[in-house]
Amino acid sequence: EPEVTQTPSHQVTQMGQEVILRCVPISNHLYFYWYRQILGQKVEFLVSFYNNEISEKSEIFDDQFSVERPDGSNFTLKIRSTKLEDSAMYFCASRLSTGGGDAEAFFGQGTRLTVV
Amino acid sequence: GEDVEQSLFLSVREGDSSVINCTYTDSSSTYLYWYKQEPGAGLQLLTYIFSNMDMKQDQRLTVLLNKKDKHLSLRIADTQTGDSAIYFCAERKNQGGKLIFGQGTELSVKP
Repeated sequence: EPEVTQTPSHQVTQMGQEVILRCVPISNHLYFYWYRQILGQKVEFLVSFYNNEISEKSEIFDDQFSVERPDGSNFTLKIRSTKLEDSAMYFCASRLSTGGGDAEAFFGQGTRLTVV
Repeated sequence: GEDVEQSLFLSVREGDSSVINCTYTDSSSTYLYWYKQEPGAGLQLLTYIFSNMDMKQDQRLTVLLNKKDKHLSLRIADTQTGDSAIYFCAERKNQGGKLIFGQGTELSVKP
């Protein structure tokens, strides 16, 4: 069964450093998402991406964040200068389309980011 | 607002039925979902329901949707210890397909 894969599973970084979280969505999917979950809290939407551009972003997704689909298979989330409060589990998701017949968003296993 | 609300904890005995409740706010949401998260793991899609339905059954899982009250529930029949996890409900917004999640309900199944 096709799946969304994320690497690394755990990343530890120093405050102020840049990190790139990587995702390989399901190959024929067109819509891509990043969510985050701070420990013990709800899963929060960060950004959606379609047709090589951001289609929607939340208030959390400020200038420190960026996304890219550099090569047609990977989908990355970059945090330029990490802060302690960026520590969270980051989930990537993909969907075939947003049309009425396509309900399912598939999530990766997540990358746990720890900022020290 | 975008709040999806769930109770935080539910404890049941093995073999009993579990009912996890959720309220959402956006009547225009097209799909409503239940995800399961085991400790340290990702989000596993359990089931979903389209907003023009009021019930969906899938093996031990039954989803009930009351669109008038914006209330969603997940019933797990014959609950097993392996069902112990956090269960998230989520609503899908029309635009762009983003999901808004509730806080999650931690289900504890005692033998």
